[in-house]
Amino acid sequence: DTGVSQDPRHKITKRGQNVTFRCDPISEHNRLYWYRQTLGQGPEFLTYFQNEAQLEKSRLLSDRFSAERPKGSFSTLEIQRTEQGDSAMYLCASRFGGSGNTIYFGEGSWLTVV
Amino acid sequence: AQKITQTQPGMFVQEKEAVTLDCTYDTSDPSYGLFWYKQPSSGEMIFLIYQGSYDQQNATEGRYSLNFQKARKSANLVISASQLGDSAMYFCAMSLYNNNDMRFGAGTRLTVKP
Repeated sequence: DTGVSQDPRHKITKRGQNVTFRCDPISEHNRLYWYRQTLGQGPEFLTYFQNEAQLEKSRLLSDRFSAERPKGSFSTLEIQRTEQGDSAMYLCASRFGGSGNTIYFGEGSWLTVV
Repeated sequence: AQKITQTQPGMFVQEKEAVTLDCTYDTSDPSYGLFWYKQPSSGEMIFLIYQGSYDQQNATEGRYSLNFQKARKSANLVISASQLGDSAMYFCAMSLYNNNDMRFGAGTRLTVKP
């Protein structure tokens, strides 16, 4: 399987705990994106990497959220001190080259904060 | 910033008939790409079709076609010969060429009736 893969697919955590999601993009894709999606809504942009550089962050990405892509390959999204409002699906996507190219999505990581 | 509007929260279509899902967008940038994605209940985002702002012809991919009306800033998706497996959420998205994120509409839930 050479698509975008995300791990874990599902995570249930207690409020206040930290969680980390991993994304492995398609291997030749230099651009990697994180989105958040709640039920009945479209994906909301969180952040974007070109290679290892984090070039854009949404205002949705509070101080409790941090994303890294240390070697320009896989990426991690960490949420510290989770809140119930963080419950959502976190989607990772990747593309090669410019904005005219398609973004390919992973299957998402569902987070439930109880 | 670009904005995507999908005004149909839900649509019903009879199996084997055609259906049009509406999408309008707002940007002052002349260079952009428009995308449609399908999201079944399992959650993955599946790329369907792409239209560049400078493309002269409407995009087609199998049973999917994009009715691109640039002056009206609309990019409606037409699904011909609907199948039961087409039941899903459908998202319209836009990506500007001078930045690299992709913004999504709120989606339309399509239900195909037998």
